[in-house]
Amino acid sequence: SQTIHQWPATLVQPVGSPLSLECTVEGTSNPNLYWYRQAAGRGLQLLFYSVGIGQISSEVPQNLSASRPQDRQFILSSKKLLLSDSGFYLCACMPLGETQYFGPGTRLLVL
Amino acid sequence: AQKVTQAQTEISVVEKEDVTLDCVYETRDTTYYLFWYKQPPSGELVFLIRRNSFDEQNEISGRYSWNFQKSTSSFNFTITASQVVDSAVYFCALSEEKNTGKLIFGQGTTLQVKP
Repeated sequence: SQTIHQWPATLVQPVGSPLSLECTVEGTSNPNLYWYRQAAGRGLQLLFYSVGIGQISSEVPQNLSASRPQDRQFILSSKKLLLSDSGFYLCACMPLGETQYFGPGTRLLVL
Repeated sequence: AQKVTQAQTEISVVEKEDVTLDCVYETRDTTYYLFWYKQPPSGELVFLIRRNSFDEQNEISGRYSWNFQKSTSSFNFTITASQVVDSAVYFCALSEEKNTGKLIFGQGTTLQVKP
């Protein structure tokens, strides 16, 4: 079964600083990968998904971008953070045609 | 358009009570998948169940059971004899697109089980 790693676990960043959150997956090949954001401890919003290396689909226009440089690596980035980027970021993996499994998440606080 | 509604924002019960979490969905497709996830205080989403639209059989797993009714577009989740460890936020989700696997989540129901 797959294992999903996310780091860092917690991050406090000033407004205007860059961001890089990393997600790596073990135990599966060619999975679909996803980035979600959860604000205010409630609903999950899909930010990006990827069905393969270099293939990124954006769901919500925003200050963030995503990249998939390797099959099992998914990176969420920003050049300049906004206060509204604060939240809980979850990476998910879906082995082909199955269920999405989630990583432990990264708590981001932008001050 | 796809939509998932969890009308119950918060539920509080006393341990050993049974509790049902409601989920109503909207979709245009005849083929779709429904899910329940649990989010404990640690934050990680834990997968509980997946059901496809062609399988309306109810499912039981220990103290958990799920009632899928296409006629009312509902996929409700019941915890029998609740325990304090069941305290969490529970999310219902819908997926129409098998290739992308995109999930549409409800807003979640916070369940508090008091000793």
